[in-house]
Amino acid sequence: EVQLVESGGGLIQPGGSLRLSCAASGFTVSSNYMSWVRQAPGKGLEWVSVIYSGGSTYYADSVKGRFTISRDNSKNTLYLQMNSLRAEDTAVYYCALASGSLVSPFDYWGQGTLVTVSS
Amino acid sequence: DIQMTQSPSTLSASVGDRVTITCRASQSISSWLAWYQQKPGKAPKLLIYKASSLESGVPSRFSGSGSGTEFTLTISSLQPDDFATYYCQQYNSYVFGPGTKVDIK
Repeated sequence: EVQLVESGGGLIQPGGSLRLSCAASGFTVSSNYMSWVRQAPGKGLEWVSVIYSGGSTYYADSVKGRFTISRDNSKNTLYLQMNSLRAEDTAVYYCALASGSLVSPFDYWGQGTLVTVSS
Repeated sequence: DIQMTQSPSTLSASVGDRVTITCRASQSISSWLAWYQQKPGKAPKLLIYKASSLESGVPSRFSGSGSGTEFTLTISSLQPDDFATYYCQQYNSYVFGPGTKVDIK
């Protein structure tokens, strides 16, 4: 059974850093396309970043240069390193798996972890 | 960059109603279109992929259609469990639509 469990969220001051984790089970993170998606309070879904099975990474313009997606194959875990945090980064962050072929939607999601950027 | 729009933004309906939500892309996206359902405090759930393919386990009252730039999600007979927010997504470039909230009339 596929499971995704995020952790690492919390209250952080503007300009600070935070690392989110997504522990996966039931599949191999390194063999799949994994993404982070966020949702600001009361707002819609916003894709943040993806890491492909081959290791290529891509980012939304809103986080480019500040966020870094990575994975630890030995721990089967996905990460999102978030630096230079801003108030507008406040959101629930979900990790999501696209388990299908090269181009496929997010068929598995974690429960989300809340990041609050505030002084 | 591809932009996604949805209409309406809010839809009030009753149990048993037929409901249609429209999603438009700013340029052709072939059939790389998914629909998700999200309830408050929960993660989104995949309903439809490749514009019209029903995800396993999703009730058959949900259907999708369209290609190119215009797509629709139809709920043939709205059930109490269907009151939620629905998002379309162009999943070749990961762009989400702004969402459509379906609430009780």
